[in-house]
Amino acid sequence: DADVTQTPRNRITKTGKRIMLECSQTKGHDRMYWYRQDPGLGLRLIYYSFDVKDINKGEISDGYSVSRQAQAKFSLSLESAIPNQTALYFCATSDFLGTQYFGPGTRLLVL
Amino acid sequence: DAKTTQPPSMDCAEGRAANLPCNHSTISGNEYVYWYRQIHSQGPQYIIHGLKNNETNEMASLIITEDRKSSTLILPHATLRDTAVYYCIVRPVGTNAGKSTFGDGTTLTVKP
Repeated sequence: DADVTQTPRNRITKTGKRIMLECSQTKGHDRMYWYRQDPGLGLRLIYYSFDVKDINKGEISDGYSVSRQAQAKFSLSLESAIPNQTALYFCATSDFLGTQYFGPGTRLLVL
Repeated sequence: DAKTTQPPSMDCAEGRAANLPCNHSTISGNEYVYWYRQIHSQGPQYIIHGLKNNETNEMASLIITEDRKSSTLILPHATLRDTAVYYCIVRPVGTNAGKSTFGDGTTLTVKP
């Protein structure tokens, strides 16, 4: 089984809808991250969490929120989706040393 | 975190060594150099990291210059499956690792 899983893998939604992307990990890491990737570009950090009680904004947090339900679970929400949030979203985990392990990604299309 | 500069694209012949450069002239003393790769929109995959000594693992070798302002990732015998986008990142180990960003990377194309 994969160490980092993301659900759903693909999602189509309409402008204004609220959606949640979920991430689970079995690596036992305290640190979890959400990234966004637009076509042809690198990954940009949305939010990160260093433990269950810690939430930090990344470079592009506007329009997004997160919830760290447990050490193993970190969810990303789009409160009111807009078309320019169409992108590939990745969850990642790391231990204290910082080496990151990524999930397979969620492809989101906002119409 | 220090920024990195990588060439946007490179080609390599199958079976030959692929040498991917990265400049990180503003790297701090406590920052490590990390390399990841991303194959066709899959999740990025960790390759290797180092501080100042050269490192080697089953995937690749990492050569860091003595002044630590640049590094080279070496894939000793590139295969078609090594075609991917390669990201070079610098970050401190432990604290503030989450603030790392990925630049646009180098697209390596391995050709038959």
